[in-house]
Amino acid sequence: AQSVTQLDSQVPVFEEAPVELRCNYSSSVSVYLFWYVQYPNQGLQLLLKYLSGSTLVESINGFEAEFNKSQTSFHLRKPSVHISDTAEYFCAVNNFNKFYFGSGTKLNVKP
Amino acid sequence: KAGVTQTPRYLIKTRGQQVTLSCSPISGHRSVSWYQQTPGQGLQFLFEYFSETQRNKGNFPGRFSGRQFSNSRSEMNVSTLELGDSALYLCASSWDRTNSPLHFGNGTRLTVT
Repeated sequence: AQSVTQLDSQVPVFEEAPVELRCNYSSSVSVYLFWYVQYPNQGLQLLLKYLSGSTLVESINGFEAEFNKSQTSFHLRKPSVHISDTAEYFCAVNNFNKFYFGSGTKLNVKP
Repeated sequence: KAGVTQTPRYLIKTRGQQVTLSCSPISGHRSVSWYQQTPGQGLQFLFEYFSETQRNKGNFPGRFSGRQFSNSRSEMNVSTLELGDSALYLCASSWDRTNSPLHFGNGTRLTVT
């Protein structure tokens, strides 16, 4: 079975600083990759996805993630974070129509 | 287009009772999945339904059950509630394609006292 690892459970960062949230998965065979964001007392919202094509994918609010097949990674980055980015971020893999989620990374943006 | 709707948003039950949670998927989505989210265990997959049939199942006891209706709406039921069942229960729907993302509702917060 597929597994998804988010090594950092919490990432504190100051506003306007860059951030990287790491995600590794166990197999690169036929996977589709996603990042979700969850704000308090809400469900998960799709942030971005990699299905095929360019290995660099971007979201509308400045996040980007790069698919690295050789390292089986899909790290999420943002060059300059805002207070409003404070949330929990989940990496997910769809492998043969089954979803596998990481344990989540809480991003805490400080003023 | 309306998103995934879950009702109720909050529930308080006592141990031993049973509870039914409801989920209306995005129009046209035929796959509905349920997840349990707790601070200690994170996001755990309960089951997935497609065309009224359970297609995938996670590692939960038989007290957790679900069903899907012909209009794709889904319900999950938890019988003989335990304190450890307190959690946020999330429903997600998707197109039935391998590269389709899940679309989540805002969840039902269940508290068992």
